[in-house]
Amino acid sequence: DIQMTQSPSSLSASIGDRVTITCRASQSISNYVNWFRQKPGEAPKLLIYSTSNLQSGVPSRFSGSGSGTDFTLTISSLQPEDFATYICQQSHSNPLTFGGGTKVEI
Amino acid sequence: QVQLVESGGRVVQPGGSLTLSCAASGFRFGDYGMHWVRQAPGQGLQWVAFIRYDGTGEYYPDSVRGRFTISRDNSRNTVYLQMNSLRPEDTAVYYCAKNRLGRVITFGSEPDYWGQGTLVTVSS
Repeated sequence: DIQMTQSPSSLSASIGDRVTITCRASQSISNYVNWFRQKPGEAPKLLIYSTSNLQSGVPSRFSGSGSGTDFTLTISSLQPEDFATYICQQSHSNPLTFGGGTKVEI
Repeated sequence: QVQLVESGGRVVQPGGSLTLSCAASGFRFGDYGMHWVRQAPGQGLQWVAFIRYDGTGEYYPDSVRGRFTISRDNSRNTVYLQMNSLRPEDTAVYYCAKNRLGRVITFGSEPDYWGQGTLVTVSS
C-alpha cells in the first residue's frame, strides 16, 4: 500500500497568513494526489484534485503543486473558515489511501 | 444539488453483522462509482470500498476484504455496505461518497461529495 505522510501534523496560524502543508508519498504517484478539508463534526470536502486542479466552488486562495512523491497545499491568505484539518489522498493505486491530516489552529 | 444520506449505523456485538445504506439524489446515480470511507473516533480517514457505476466491479483494502461487501441498486439510487464478522476496530463513522469522475472502470479516484456519515459501534 502507498503511505501518505503529511507534515506538519498541526500548525498555528493567524487570519491572513500564508500556509503550506506537505504530503509525501511512499512511492511515485505521478500527479494522483487530492486534498480535502474537514471541519470538526463534518464530512470532508474536496478542495483540489490531481495535484493542482481546483474543485468547483473552492476559493482561489487554495492551490496545489508537486509531482512524483512530494506535494504541497497552499492557502494564500487564511480565512476563519479555514481553521480545520487538511488531508491528502492518493488515487494512483489500489487501495486508495489518505494522509494522517494536518490540523490548522488559531 | 447532490445529496447522500447514510443510514443503518448502530451498536453491534463483535462478530455481528450490519448493513449500511446510502440514498443518493441530485445526480445521475447510474453514471458514477461510489465509495465507502470510514473514520474511527479521533482518527484519520480509511477507504473501505468502491463499486463501479454499473456494479460490475468492487474493490476493497485487505483490512475488510472477505468481511465487507459493497453493492448498489441503480433503480433505487442506493448503495449498500454489508459488514460481517465485525470487530471492535471497525468502530467508526462510515461515510458514503460519490466518485468525482463518471463511468470509471478502475478502482475509483477522488470522492467529491460525501454524506454526513453514520456511526457504527462494535462493542459487547
